[in-house]
Amino acid sequence: NAGVTQTPKFQVLKTGQSMTLQCAQDMNHEYMSWYRQDPGMGLRLIHYSVGAGITDQGEVPNGYNVSRSTTEDFPLRLLSAAPSQTSVYFCASSYSPDSSTDTQYFGPGTRLTVL
Amino acid sequence: AQKVTQAQTEISVVEKEDVTLDCVYETRDTTYYLFWYKQPPSGELVFLIRRNSFDEQNEISGRYSWNFQKSTSSFNFTITASQVVDSAVYFCALRGTGGGNKLTFGTGTQLKVEL
Repeated sequence: NAGVTQTPKFQVLKTGQSMTLQCAQDMNHEYMSWYRQDPGMGLRLIHYSVGAGITDQGEVPNGYNVSRSTTEDFPLRLLSAAPSQTSVYFCASSYSPDSSTDTQYFGPGTRLTVL
Repeated sequence: AQKVTQAQTEISVVEKEDVTLDCVYETRDTTYYLFWYKQPPSGELVFLIRRNSFDEQNEISGRYSWNFQKSTSSFNFTITASQVVDSAVYFCALRGTGGGNKLTFGTGTQLKVEL
């Protein structure tokens, strides 16, 4: 298993540009999520999905869209990039959020800079 | 609302010293889950441990040990005989019930182990 994969690893955008951060997992996990990591703030949840076709907002959803058309993929779209979206983005997945043994595993991250 | 506090922003120790990373949490859920993740300089997030609220047994894994105390809402992490490879940022996280399996992270503790 490749686990959770993210592409690209690094990206530089100009203000106003759009882009999609890719996330895929090959573990047949139901739950997938996106977090952003900013200095001194830990990780904060952007959006999450409990299964194909189902998504919901997290703590900091503004400026981001997601969709979940397959179990494996959970792309994060920046519609119009802003400097405030400069961050490191992590995708995570887990088998089932209803399980007491559930643990989220994280991808390697995407470092995004918006100029 | 859930909250995780890691009051120690940065800790420096000399190799072979023992070090304890503190984690204090707040939640109204009666069932919840606590986690520790390690983020080495390479940037990925590595899962270390999950503890369920109904299991207060402490755990030891090699040089790592965790002390869970519900009475003080703490889940502290001790590294015995620290090594340079332990240098990383360590995050404590909390997951309650409901809320889409959201992990609430602390702000992390930077551990530097020097020769």
